[in-house]
Amino acid sequence: KQEVTQIPAALSVPEGENLVLNCSFTDSAIYNLQWFRQDPGKGLTSLLLIQSSQREQTSGRLNASLDKSSGRSTLYIAASQPGDSATYLCAVHNAGNMLTFGGGTRLMVKP
Amino acid sequence: GAGVSQSPSNKVTEKGKDVELRCDPISGHTALYWYRQSLGQGLEFLIYFQGNSAPDKSGLPSDRFSAERTGGSVSTLTIQRTQQEDSAVYLCASSPGQRPNYGYTFGSGTRLTVV
Repeated sequence: KQEVTQIPAALSVPEGENLVLNCSFTDSAIYNLQWFRQDPGKGLTSLLLIQSSQREQTSGRLNASLDKSSGRSTLYIAASQPGDSATYLCAVHNAGNMLTFGGGTRLMVKP
Repeated sequence: GAGVSQSPSNKVTEKGKDVELRCDPISGHTALYWYRQSLGQGLEFLIYFQGNSAPDKSGLPSDRFSAERTGGSVSTLTIQRTQQEDSAVYLCASSPGQRPNYGYTFGSGTRLTVV
């Protein structure tokens, strides 16, 4: 059974810092990995999707990497802003019909 | 529509009542998922629909929960005889198809409170 772990569970940084969020998974036979953002009381917003054959994806200040063999992905946020404050979730799509989610990292960027 | 639409956005119900939650996926998306997010918890898979295939119901927590998808589009999640532990945000997602290379688009969710 696929298990997804996100570290740290919570992170508080001053504005402007670069930061890294970590995601690990136990079964490397994945189709893709997706990073989401969730604001309080809201649904999930897709940030980046990495196919199993890819090593990284970039969108603006966000960069996600994937090392399938070691079961790891990182989300790098450059020059963090208070508007980046949210919970970040990684989800793995592997054999079977469901996404398996990590527990999330709750990020607070202080002005 | 442009995104996944869920209704109602909030629902308060009395313990023991039945509730229906609705999901309108993105037009043309053949895959539809229901997830549940309890307070402070991660996302829990409930059920998956793909086209006309039999749904994957492996995540439904009890026989009080059921879901259907009419005409391969709109889906309804029904919870019978609601209990307080059913209180959660229910999220729906859709994806273009069975190929695993597509990402998933989530709706804004329905916040269910059982009092």
